[in-house]
Amino acid sequence: SAVISQKPSRDICQRGTSLTIQCQVDSQVTMMFWYRQQPGQSLTLIATANQGSEATYESGFVIDKFPISRPNLTFSTLTVSNMSPEDSSIYLCSVGDGQFNEQFFGPGTRLTVL
Amino acid sequence: AQKVTQAQTEISVVEKEDVTLDCVYETRDTTYYLFWYKQPPSGELVFLIRRNSFDEQNEISGRYSWNFQKSTSSFNFTITASQVVDSAVYFCARRDTGRRALTFGSGTRLQVQP
Repeated sequence: SAVISQKPSRDICQRGTSLTIQCQVDSQVTMMFWYRQQPGQSLTLIATANQGSEATYESGFVIDKFPISRPNLTFSTLTVSNMSPEDSSIYLCSVGDGQFNEQFFGPGTRLTVL
Repeated sequence: AQKVTQAQTEISVVEKEDVTLDCVYETRDTTYYLFWYKQPPSGELVFLIRRNSFDEQNEISGRYSWNFQKSTSSFNFTITASQVVDSAVYFCARRDTGRRALTFGSGTRLQVQP
């Protein structure tokens, strides 16, 4: 299985600022995904991070708020822009195996916005 | 949207009891994948099992077993002789072949009391 790391593991941020979350995988993967888990809720897909092209966003999520980079096959970043307390969540990076029969998740970034 | 439903919000059992977590899914596809994940209090998402739509055989792994019934669109998870370490939120998820990301249920919080 892929080993996924995320930085930072947690952060407390002020309203109106931005935070960039990094996701590093120990092997090359075709697609990476970013999910959000609001407090006490399930996971919701934000976007698919595509290498070499723009990310594909789910309904309700826009690039201006959640810009994503994918410079290579082992790394991606998610930025949470102009944060508000409603952005307080765990943000998780996920990757699939070659056939996407297995999907693995990073340890998550726990974000609190004051 | 095609849903994954986990009707049990929270279950509390006493150690050594057996417990079954229910999962019902909707799909229009003939080929799809079903997953179970465990999220302990530490927050990381632990992959437990993946089952594809072609394989209705039940699976057992130690104290864990899964019952996949296509006729009722259910993929239930049973823990036998539960232990305190089983306390966590458990998520059922689905992936369709045309889509690489997962759709999650709302999760079931399992509390195992000593």
